[in-house]
Amino acid sequence: RKEVEQDPGPFNVPEGATVAFNCTYSNSASQSFFWYRQDCRKEPKLLMSVYSSGNEDGRFTAQLNRASQYISLLIRDSKLSDSATYLCVVNPGRSGNTPLVFGKGTRLSVIA
Amino acid sequence: NAGVMQNPRHLVRRRGQEARLRCSPMKGHSHVYWYRQLPEEGLKFMVYLQKENIIDESGMPKERFSAEFPKEGPSILRIQQVVRGDSAAYFCASSRGTPSSGANVLTFGAGSRLTVL
Repeated sequence: RKEVEQDPGPFNVPEGATVAFNCTYSNSASQSFFWYRQDCRKEPKLLMSVYSSGNEDGRFTAQLNRASQYISLLIRDSKLSDSATYLCVVNPGRSGNTPLVFGKGTRLSVIA
Repeated sequence: NAGVMQNPRHLVRRRGQEARLRCSPMKGHSHVYWYRQLPEEGLKFMVYLQKENIIDESGMPKERFSAEFPKEGPSILRIQQVVRGDSAAYFCASSRGTPSSGANVLTFGAGSRLTVL
């Protein structure tokens, strides 16, 4: 089982739609979790950290389910500018110095 | 406050040549990471360095690839005798703290795109 798995998509949604992505991780000792956004041929950029209690930032809501080992990202009222690849990122927790592991990403296309 | 600076942005090499990619971390960041992204693929971890030390190089190919982060100057990823399969985007990232700390958020540079002819 891969350390971080995501549905590659693409998710094609109309403007204004609500869309949700899930990501599963294999190591129950994983500590910190993030969602990054990567536009075509650009570098990944932090979208939001994911906290145990869940967190919201405007139209974006992230949740963590430790029991089932998955993370979700919900985007409400999708905009054309939300079109990008969304990367699930996990600290696998193997040791204090284990670098963050990136999922392959879920591609979102918001259509007018 | 400049972000993570990478250069060159684009590099073309012929098979057998050497490629050197440079990365200067964000101000205040002492942890540097190199990731490789093949076309239509995810980011793959290569190496994690602090000043003058390689902390984790488990993702680095055993041959032809090396990395350093000297006391002065940028981190350098070096690829000797490049082959076509080395063509990829190489992203450098930095963080203020260790991966397990509360300061482990990665900030990425714009990447160096290597094309091997």
